[in-house]
Amino acid sequence: QKEVEQNSGPLSVPEGAIASLNCTYSDRVSQSFFWYRQYSGKSPELIMSIYSNGDKEDGRFTAQLNKASQYVSLLIRDSQPSDSATYLCAVNIIGGSNYKLTFGKGTLLTVNP
Amino acid sequence: DTEVTQTPKHLVMGMTNKKSLKCEQHMGHRAMYWYKQKAKKPPELMFVYSYEKLSINESVPSRFSPECPNSSLLNLHLHALQPEDSALYLCASSPSGDGYEQYFGPGTRLTVT
Repeated sequence: QKEVEQNSGPLSVPEGAIASLNCTYSDRVSQSFFWYRQYSGKSPELIMSIYSNGDKEDGRFTAQLNKASQYVSLLIRDSQPSDSATYLCAVNIIGGSNYKLTFGKGTLLTVNP
Repeated sequence: DTEVTQTPKHLVMGMTNKKSLKCEQHMGHRAMYWYKQKAKKPPELMFVYSYEKLSINESVPSRFSPECPNSSLLNLHLHALQPEDSALYLCASSPSGDGYEQYFGPGTRLTVT
């Protein structure tokens, strides 16, 4: 069973702090990795995609990928109360000739004013 | 524009009813997906259409029947559902089925009575 594991939450940080969300995956051949944000009662929203080792920055968000360690993370700088949501790590895993997006269980982030 | 639309937003149906969920995208994407999401759980893949052909069926019960009339539209026909089928049904699309990012619609909240 190919899996995606996220650090168990909930995670609580003060406003203005850095929130760090972590994810590991079991399938060594995975090539594409995503972070989705999901507010309560809403659908997942893609916030970051990363395909190569290293860091990728987009505004206050930085995704980090280390394929050798099978590890992907998301850093949120200057956290805001509006960042409070569940963050889903997703990995494209090949099954036969098809790609399937496999999600971790999610980490609930609360940013306290 | 990364918009995927879904109708209806909410649906309540009895166990003997037949209803359909609809999904539409105008991004020129060639892969479309149906997911089911229960409360506090990650999305679970149900079906994948790639270039208008069904490429993945995750052993979904036959009371769920997908249809892809053209590259922009995706339907999910529902018949004789059970109360445990109550969930948020999410449609997503991606440029192709080759591991690219997926964009989710707002979902249909389904309640089976």
